Amino acid sequence: AQSVTQLGSHVSVSEGALVLLRCNYSSSVPPYLFWYVQYPNQGLQLLLKYTSAATLVKGINGFEAEFKKSETSFHLTKPSAHMSDAAEYFCAVSYRNEKLTFGTGTRLTIIP
Amino acid sequence: DTGVSQDPRHKITKRGQNVTFRCDPISEHNRLYWYRQTLGQGPEFLTYFQNEAQLEKSRLLSDRFSAERPKGSFSTLEIQRTEQGDSAMYLCASSNNNYGYTFGSGTRLTVV
Repeated sequence: AQSVTQLGSHVSVSEGALVLLRCNYSSSVPPYLFWYVQYPNQGLQLLLKYTSAATLVKGINGFEAEFKKSETSFHLTKPSAHMSDAAEYFCAVSYRNEKLTFGTGTRLTIIP
Repeated sequence: DTGVSQDPRHKITKRGQNVTFRCDPISEHNRLYWYRQTLGQGPEFLTYFQNEAQLEKSRLLSDRFSAERPKGSFSTLEIQRTEQGDSAMYLCASSNNNYGYTFGSGTRLTVV
């Protein structure tokens, strides 16, 4: 069975500081990994996805993530936080284009 | 491409009533998924269709829940005899064969 674990349900960073949101996966087969962002009372917007091509994946809004098989990790980073980055972030895993399995989410707060 | 549409955006119903939600996927996407999200949690998989065939149902989907996708186009999710525990955001997503999962804005159900 596939699963993802997001470490830290709440993360606070100062505006302009590095954003690091952690995600570890468990999968018995090569996973496909995703990061989504959710703003209040809205659906999920795809930030980026890893589908077995380059291990460093660049997404929208300056975010990127690196797939590390040895660490079973897919952490999300952004060099400089902006106030508009405040939202809920979800890591998800899929196998063979079937259902997504989500983590419990990390709420990102940006301190002015 | 107008994205994934869900209707209604909000629904308030009395306990014991039946409700039905609609999802219109991206037209060229052959897969359609339903998820449920409660406050502070990640989306939980309910069911998914490939074209008109319902391929998987979660154990979360009790007998009171039914989903259809006639003719492989739009989908409906019906909840019979609603309970307060059904209060949640119901999200629909569609995908093609390139791991391009696109989510709608969701239907927020409140059972009073």
